[in-house]
Amino acid sequence: EAGVAQSPRYKIIEKRQSVAFWCNPISGHATLYWYQQILGQGPKLLIQFQNNGVVDDSQLPKDRFSAERLKGVDSTLKIQPAKLEDSAVYLCASSLVQGDTEAFFGQGTRLTVV
Amino acid sequence: AQTVTQSQPEMSVQEAETVTLSCTYDTSENNYYLFWYKQPPSRQMILVIRQEAYKQQNATENRFSVNFQKAAKSFSLKISDSQLGDTAMYFCAFVTNAGKSTFGDGTTLTVKP
Repeated sequence: EAGVAQSPRYKIIEKRQSVAFWCNPISGHATLYWYQQILGQGPKLLIQFQNNGVVDDSQLPKDRFSAERLKGVDSTLKIQPAKLEDSAVYLCASSLVQGDTEAFFGQGTRLTVV
Repeated sequence: AQTVTQSQPEMSVQEAETVTLSCTYDTSENNYYLFWYKQPPSRQMILVIRQEAYKQQNATENRFSVNFQKAAKSFSLKISDSQLGDTAMYFCAFVTNAGKSTFGDGTTLTVKP
């Protein structure tokens, strides 16, 4: 089966610019996650979708980050305006259901804000 | 809120030997799930092994096994017969019934020939 697809793989932007990341989960996976992984740290959950509804966005900086999952399939994560501290790898993952099942990760998008 | 601590930032092991990576967590929940994920250099994260908190028996997957001590809130990963391909960053993750996940900061494992 095809894995979790993310694009772009790399992005360099200047601070205060905006950027968007795209994720296509594994077909049939109801749960989709966006994580931020800063260099040297573990992934931090930003937002979790169950189908097209938000389950948890408690750690999403809502003043600058937004995410949507229209039609419960693919998803976009946007940052506007970007700050230097947003430099990180943004990982998308999906799982069949939430909780005890394995999450399948994409290769991530490496964002550098200069 | 849950916390996950991996106290060993870096470890190394000789090929064919055994290594244990430690993970402790803090939670007030009784039912949850624990995972070990592997992230090879420049490659995507993949599942190594998982454990349901309600199961007393330790999970095993080929050369990988865990030592789950629920009372101590400890979840260590043992890799037997280490191979060069095991070189990667290993993350311990705690997941609630609702699917909310908390990851540790990882242990970088290097397998030496």
